[in-house]
Amino acid sequence: GDSVTQMEGPVTLSEEAFLTINCTYTATGYPSLFWYVQYPGEGLQLLLKATKADDKGSNKGFEATYRKETTSFHLEKGSVQVSDSAVYFCALSLNTGFQKLVFGTGTRLLVSP
Amino acid sequence: GAVVSQHPSWVICKSGTSVKIECRSLDFQATTMFWYRQFPKQSLMLMATSNEGSKATYEQGVEKDKFLINHASLTLSTLTVTSAHPEDSSFYICSAKGGFGPGTRLTVL
Repeated sequence: GDSVTQMEGPVTLSEEAFLTINCTYTATGYPSLFWYVQYPGEGLQLLLKATKADDKGSNKGFEATYRKETTSFHLEKGSVQVSDSAVYFCALSLNTGFQKLVFGTGTRLLVSP
Repeated sequence: GAVVSQHPSWVICKSGTSVKIECRSLDFQATTMFWYRQFPKQSLMLMATSNEGSKATYEQGVEKDKFLINHASLTLSTLTVTSAHPEDSSFYICSAKGGFGPGTRLTVL
């Protein structure tokens, strides 16, 4: 079945460090890919998305490129801030319009000053 | 995504009782909404698809008689956990058009 695999956390970084959170997927069709973020005590928020191969999603300094050849959608940020501390979820959907998301297990990011 | 609200944000109940959780899409008329369950330190698992005006579609392994879903209008879906037991304690989250509600923490004593 369709699935998403994320690197286990927590990921601990100092402020201004470079961030990479790996995400790979398995899907029977051509999925849309998403990164969601969950800040402490809050609900999930869409961070960025990409709907086809080679698309790059970006938001708030975060980027991820849809790589069909490696079935990956790694999240990157050049310089993290303490306020980026949260849990990040990679997800896919085989339907349009955000239908039936399949989530990875989430990766907790901890950024220290 | 849509702006989604949930009520209540947390609930504590006794074993054997039923609990209803409401999910509202505030800025989007959603013919389809989704219910997820999140276990501690784990990912969200899709429980069911709520369809306005028709029966919900449940994922494999989810008991439809235990988790009753009603989608009576384009802005409201409800999840009722019937005869709740401690193993039903979890974080329940609804979604509409990519937006997620803040979740409902259910604790069954």
